[in-house]
Amino acid sequence: EDQVTQSPEALRLQEGESSSLNCSYTVSGLRGLFWYRQDPGKGPEFLFTLYSAGEEKEKERLKATLTKKESFLHITAPKPEDSATYLCAVRRRNSGYALNFGKGTSLLVTP
Amino acid sequence: EAQVTQNPRYLITVTGKKLTVTCSQNMNHEYMSWYRQDPGLGLRQIYYSMNVEVTDKGDVPEGYKVSRKEKRNFPLILESPSPNQTSLYFCASSPHRPLYEQYFGPGTRLTVT
Repeated sequence: EDQVTQSPEALRLQEGESSSLNCSYTVSGLRGLFWYRQDPGKGPEFLFTLYSAGEEKEKERLKATLTKKESFLHITAPKPEDSATYLCAVRRRNSGYALNFGKGTSLLVTP
Repeated sequence: EAQVTQNPRYLITVTGKKLTVTCSQNMNHEYMSWYRQDPGLGLRQIYYSMNVEVTDKGDVPEGYKVSRKEKRNFPLILESPSPNQTSLYFCASSPHRPLYEQYFGPGTRLTVT
């Protein structure tokens, strides 16, 4: 069965303490991996799309990378405003246009 | 302002009473989708639409209906709500290219008693 697993479920960092979030997937025929950020009480906000192993995308303190089995969201020198839940989603071949989301990693950055 | 709007934002209803959650976008997007978000289960896609009069099932379509008669609107219909449909619902839209840069609405919290 196709699965998207995110780890850790929750992460607490000090401001400036860099770390990485993981999204591992077991889908047949990946057709894209997507990262979103969700603030409490709000809808998810698009961050990145990755299509092929080796691809990297950056935005401010965030950098997303993709291998054949997993994606990492690296957070460099995080600030309290980076606190949010980060969601990973995949589109698999022959799924039409449906997306499979992981359960998310809840990130808290303390001053 | 480019946005996706949903109404109502909060709704408490009783089992079996038909309801509609509206979704509207002002970005002329072709693609629209409905998700539900539940603790421990994450976001799951209910239905999506590639354009007017074109809809398809996502992963959890049972108990829901949708229609896409106009490009900007994509209502979600619960003909006979049940308690297991208590959830947080999100509508999303995106342009045809790039397809998955989805813009999400603010969410509708539905409670069915």
